[in-house]
Parts: sequence; structure tokens; C-alpha cells
Amino acid sequence: DAKTTQPNSMESNEEEPVHLPCNHSTISGTDYIHWYRQLPSQGPEYVIHGLTSNVNNRMASLAIAEDRKSSTLILHRATLRDAAVYYCILRDRPPPISGAGSYQLTFGKGTKLSVIP
Amino acid sequence: DAGITQSPRHKVTETGTPVTLRCHQTENHRYMYWYRQDPGHGLRLIHYSYGVKDTDKGEVSDGYSVSRSKTEDFLLTLESATSSQTSVYFCAIGREGETQYFGPGTRLLVL
Repeated sequence: DAKTTQPNSMESNEEEPVHLPCNHSTISGTDYIHWYRQLPSQGPEYVIHGLTSNVNNRMASLAIAEDRKSSTLILHRATLRDAAVYYCILRDRPPPISGAGSYQLTFGKGTKLSVIP
Repeated sequence: DAGITQSPRHKVTETGTPVTLRCHQTENHRYMYWYRQDPGHGLRLIHYSYGVKDTDKGEVSDGYSVSRSKTEDFLLTLESATSSQTSVYFCAIGREGETQYFGPGTRLLVL
């Protein structure tokens, strides 16, 4: 899997926007950019994913650079519940045969986001 | 939330004892995964399944076996538990190559 680089930690004030960066300079043309987060003592939770275009959902927005070598997860208004470790993961599109070899998620260390009341 | 449960949620066992962890889903997803999470290593894939009786190894499969006799259940077995297998174990489910949904985790302590 292609490698991603994220800051170890970030802080944000409550109710302010948060921009979590991710560098993936060796990304290939078929790599999807996935973001997951893990709240304390819970399993990881899917946040958002995209390929080339910016994406929005109810949880966050994903801004992808034109050259796809970096992306930014945007939380529009941080809440205390958003305090978590955020993982940026590249996942290749699977081949058109049975088998799940390409579905593996390779988790790095992620960014620990602290939200200050 | 995806319908995925893990049992037991906590277990303490002794070295050399066999241990089986169960992952159960109600979503009829084809793919199921077992990960372990340790400080300093993040989550690592142990085994995964892409259908009933179809399984394959992940990054850290030594010492573990799995079975999937029906769509909804994926079992992880430690044939002879060792202290190095003390960890938090997460099960995940997924559709065709997209989002994975994780269970709440099982904390295993091997003494």
C-alpha cells in the first residue's frame, strides 16, 4: 500500500473548523483516499472517502489536491465528540476477480485530535 | 450503526490455553476481517474472509486460525495463547471493496 504521512497530533477549539492534512506523494491513479477515526476505547469508524473530486457528507468534507499528492479532512465545527485519532488510508480498487487481497486497510499512526472546550 | 457484535468483550486466559473470539454480523456483508491493535503498531490485519469458507491471511497471521461456516459468523482462534497475543481484537465487515465497519472490540489478556 502507498504510504501516508500525517501530523502526530493537532488541537482545535470547540465549534471551530479543523483541517487535518495528509500527504500521499506516491499515490497511484487507482488509490482511493479513505479517512477513518477512532474514538477512545472504540473501534475505528468510517468518515469519508474519495478518488479525485472533493467530497462532502454529514460528518466531514474531503478536499483532494489537484495532483492527488495530498488531501485534507475538514470538520466544519469541531465538537468534544470529535476528539479522536484520525487515520488517512490509501486503498486500491480491487481487481475484478474474487478474493479480498486488495481490500486491506493499512492503518498508520494517524493524527490525534484534541478539542478544547 | 452496522449490525456487528463481538464476543466476549473481555477475556483473561492463561498461556497455552485455546481461545476463540466470535464476530457476528446482521448485515449480510460478504467480507469480514480480524485486526489486532497494539500500542506503537496501530491496527494490523490478522485474517480476512471473502465468503463462506473463503479465508486468507493478513499481515500478522502466525498463531491464529479462522473459520467462516456461515455468512454471519467469523471466528478467530488462538490455538495456544501466548502473552504476545495480549491485545485488543477488532472485527470488521464490508461490502465490495468499499467501507469497512468495525465492531466494538475484544480485550484479551494472556497471563
